[in-house]
Amino acid sequence: EDQVTQSPEALRLQEGESSSLNCSYTVSGLRGLFWYRQDPGKGPEFLFTLYSAGEEKEKERLKATLTKKESFLHITAPKPEDSATYLCAVQSDNYGQNFVFGPGTRLSVLP
Amino acid sequence: DGGITQSPKYLFRKEGQNVTLSCEQNLNHDAMYWYRQDPGQGLRLIYYSQIVNDFQKGDIAEGYSVSREKKESFPLTVTSAQKNPTAFYLCASSIASEAFFGQGTRLTVV
Repeated sequence: EDQVTQSPEALRLQEGESSSLNCSYTVSGLRGLFWYRQDPGKGPEFLFTLYSAGEEKEKERLKATLTKKESFLHITAPKPEDSATYLCAVQSDNYGQNFVFGPGTRLSVLP
Repeated sequence: DGGITQSPKYLFRKEGQNVTLSCEQNLNHDAMYWYRQDPGQGLRLIYYSQIVNDFQKGDIAEGYSVSREKKESFPLTVTSAQKNPTAFYLCASSIASEAFFGQGTRLTVV
């Protein structure tokens, strides 16, 4: 059975304090790993898709990386508007087009 | 603008009532999904549909039903058999490997 875990559960940063969020996965045949941002009371917003180990994607202050067992979402010099819950999800051979989501990391960036 | 529209944004249900949550997309996506989100938990799959007139149960389908009569529409009915329906419900659609979400419906039992 595919599993996705995320750590830490919650993270508080000062504005400008860079850090990383972790997504660990156990799947049979990874087809893709996805990062989403979710604001309170809203639907998740797509950020990145990663397909193979060694791949990296960047968007503004965010950079996602992928290894064979985990993915990191690096946040460089975060701003208060980066505060949100960050969700990780995978697609695998087990579940075809379906997605298995992790529980998320709740990020708070203090001014 | 292309996107996924969920309605209503808030819904209140009395004990023993069935309620239907609407999900419409104009992205021309074949696959559509319903997820349930509870505080502190990840998204859990209720039902999914890869094509019109076909759908499959997800991990927590008991107490829910769906239909897929049109490509654009995938309504979810929360039946009285669902014992703990209070949650945030999210609809998504996908093409290839990217899923896009609606803004959610918050259902509360009163």
